[in-house]
Amino acid sequence: KQEVTQIPAALSVPEGENLVLNCSFTDSAIYNLQWFRQDPGKGLTSLLLIQSSQREQTSGRLNASLDKSSGRSTLYIAASQPGDSATYLCAVRGIQGAQKLVFGQGTRLTINP
Amino acid sequence: AAGVIQSPRHLIKEKRETATLKCYPIPRHDTVYWYQQGPGQDPQFLISFYEKMQSDKGSIPDRFSAQQFSDYHSELNMSSLELGDSALYFCASSLVLGDGGGEQYFGPGTRLTVT
Repeated sequence: KQEVTQIPAALSVPEGENLVLNCSFTDSAIYNLQWFRQDPGKGLTSLLLIQSSQREQTSGRLNASLDKSSGRSTLYIAASQPGDSATYLCAVRGIQGAQKLVFGQGTRLTINP
Repeated sequence: AAGVIQSPRHLIKEKRETATLKCYPIPRHDTVYWYQQGPGQDPQFLISFYEKMQSDKGSIPDRFSAQQFSDYHSELNMSSLELGDSALYFCASSLVLGDGGGEQYFGPGTRLTVT
């Protein structure tokens, strides 16, 4: 059974810092991995999608990497801003069945002005 | 671009009542997924449909049922509601490509409150 773990559970940093969020998964048989952002009580905003054959994806100040063999992904946020404060979730899409997403518990990020 | 539509956005029900949540996937997407996110929890997979047939089932209570209709919209029916059913319910749609690499697109969610 796929298990996804995110470390740290919460992170608070001053504005302007570069930071890394970590995601690990137990079963490397995946099709892709998605990083989402969720504001309190709101929906899921997809940030980046990395296919299993890819090593990284970039969007603006965000860069996500994937090491499928070791079951790890990182989300790098450059020059953090207070507006980046949210919960960040990673989710892996397995190759079994209907390829549902299995989510991690998320990292609650706070950027202090 | 068209997105996943969910209705209603908010729903308040009393215990033992019934609720129906609706999802309209992105046009031409062939798979619909339902997820439940309890307070402070990560989203948990409930059930999915591929081309109107149930394709996978997760931790969905027997009190819940779902179906996908000929126009590809899906409905999640929840009966004998319990306080613990209070959660955000997300619908997602995707194209299950040959290599399964399609991205899942999420709707805004339905917030169900059971009192």
